[in-house]
Amino acid sequence: DIQMTQFPSSLSASVGDRVTITCRASQSINTFLNWYQQKPGKAPKLLIYAASTLQSGVPSTFSGSGSGTDFTLTISSLQPEDFATYYCQQSYSTSRTFGPGTKVHIK
Amino acid sequence: QVQLVQSGAEVKTPGASVRVSCRASGYTFTDHSIHWLRQAPGQGPEWMGWINPKSGGTNYALKYLGRVTMTRDTSISTTYMQLNRLRSDDTAVYYCARERGITVVRGIIDYFDLWGQGTLVTVSS
Repeated sequence: DIQMTQFPSSLSASVGDRVTITCRASQSINTFLNWYQQKPGKAPKLLIYAASTLQSGVPSTFSGSGSGTDFTLTISSLQPEDFATYYCQQSYSTSRTFGPGTKVHIK
Repeated sequence: QVQLVQSGAEVKTPGASVRVSCRASGYTFTDHSIHWLRQAPGQGPEWMGWINPKSGGTNYALKYLGRVTMTRDTSISTTYMQLNRLRSDDTAVYYCARERGITVVRGIIDYFDLWGQGTLVTVSS
């Protein structure tokens, strides 16, 4: 299986901050990379697919970039509703795998 | 309303089986594969496999081969995931998710755009 790592595992930030989360794949996955947001007790929600395409309805404060093995999710101005856990997921191989998550806390 | 609605929480003893259902509404059921995933407490989601509702074809993660079965009933737009020989480490929230994809030069990039609300399965003696 393709292993996905994320860093940091958690971060503290304030409303209005710019936040960047990094995801790394154990082998090249081109742009077969998706990002999800999850809040406690809820199902994950798709934010970005194909590394950089914003899902319909997702605020433009979210953006994604990268290809190959290294990817980033950026929140340009953190809003109160953005405090959550974020996961990357690869769909390059038949066996889809997720990263361990990055939890964004309120500072 | 476009949604996936899952069956309720289950409590099982080790060695038993569990079947979780996922009913689709608001879109053409046979147009999209349904994937099943699970999430243990404090961990990221783990992919278990998918089913093509049109053909019934399935693909399971190696970890679950021989222990999981995914089926569907097109008459009620519902997919099912059955996991046998349950162990305590199967305790998790189980999700179904709809697959969508875009075509790129290198193939189809798929992603999960619609999720069920989750079903907690607790395995305990």
